Amino acid sequence: TQLLEQSPQFLSIQEGENLTVYCNSSSVFSSLQWYRQEPGEGPVLLVTVVTGGEVKKLKRLTFQFGDARKDSSLHITAAQPGDTGLYLCAGARSTLGRLYFGRGTQLTVWP
Amino acid sequence: NAGVMQNPRHLVRRRGQEARLRCSPMKGHSHVYWYRQLPEEGLKFMVYLQKENIIDESGMPKERFSAEFPKEGPSILRIQQVVRGDSAAYFCASSPRSPGINEQFFGPGTRLTVL
Repeated sequence: TQLLEQSPQFLSIQEGENLTVYCNSSSVFSSLQWYRQEPGEGPVLLVTVVTGGEVKKLKRLTFQFGDARKDSSLHITAAQPGDTGLYLCAGARSTLGRLYFGRGTQLTVWP
Repeated sequence: NAGVMQNPRHLVRRRGQEARLRCSPMKGHSHVYWYRQLPEEGLKFMVYLQKENIIDESGMPKERFSAEFPKEGPSILRIQQVVRGDSAAYFCASSPRSPGINEQFFGPGTRLTVL
C-alpha cells in the first residue's frame, strides 16, 4: 500500500494553463517535500513544507501543506513547456530517516 | 559545491554477476539513503546509513543486497547474483549532519540493466 497518494497520475495541458497536483495521506508527517525529476536524472528538491497550513511560493509554483499535515498540493500558474517533468511528493516522519514517496505526477506542457 | 555523486551512471550485468553502486554524499553530509525506482513507480526506500553504521535497512531485500558507508570513501550498495528483477534506477541521497528538517538531496542515479 502507498502511504502517499498523488493525483492525477498523468496531466497533459497547453502552455498558459493552470494546474494543481495533490498529495494525500491518512498519516501525519513532520515535513513534506516536493521534487521534480527529468528523464535520466535524479529528483531535484523544489521545496520543503513543515508547518500545518504553510504556503510557500516559488515563482509560478505555489505549495501548500494541509492544516493537519497529512496532505499537500502544488499549484502551477501559467504553465510553460519547461515545467514538463515528473513531480514527486515525499513525506518525512522525523528529522532523520526515510522519506515516503508518492508515485508521482507526470506533467506534460505543450507549446 | 559538488552535489551527490553516483557512479557508474549506467551498469549492465548478466544474471548471476555482482553489481556495485557507489555514492559520494554532498560535502558536510553524513547521512546517506538508498532508494530504488521502477518504471511507473515512485522511489522506494532501501537503506539509511551513517558513517560505519546501518541505521535502518527495513527496505532492503533479505538476500543478495547489502550496503555500507565506511569511515573513508563512498557508500556502496552491493547486489550479489543479480536477477532480471533487479533492473531499476538506484538513487542515493544525502542529508546534513544536524538537519533541522529532513531534506534529502539526490544524486543522478545508477541505471542497472540485468541481461
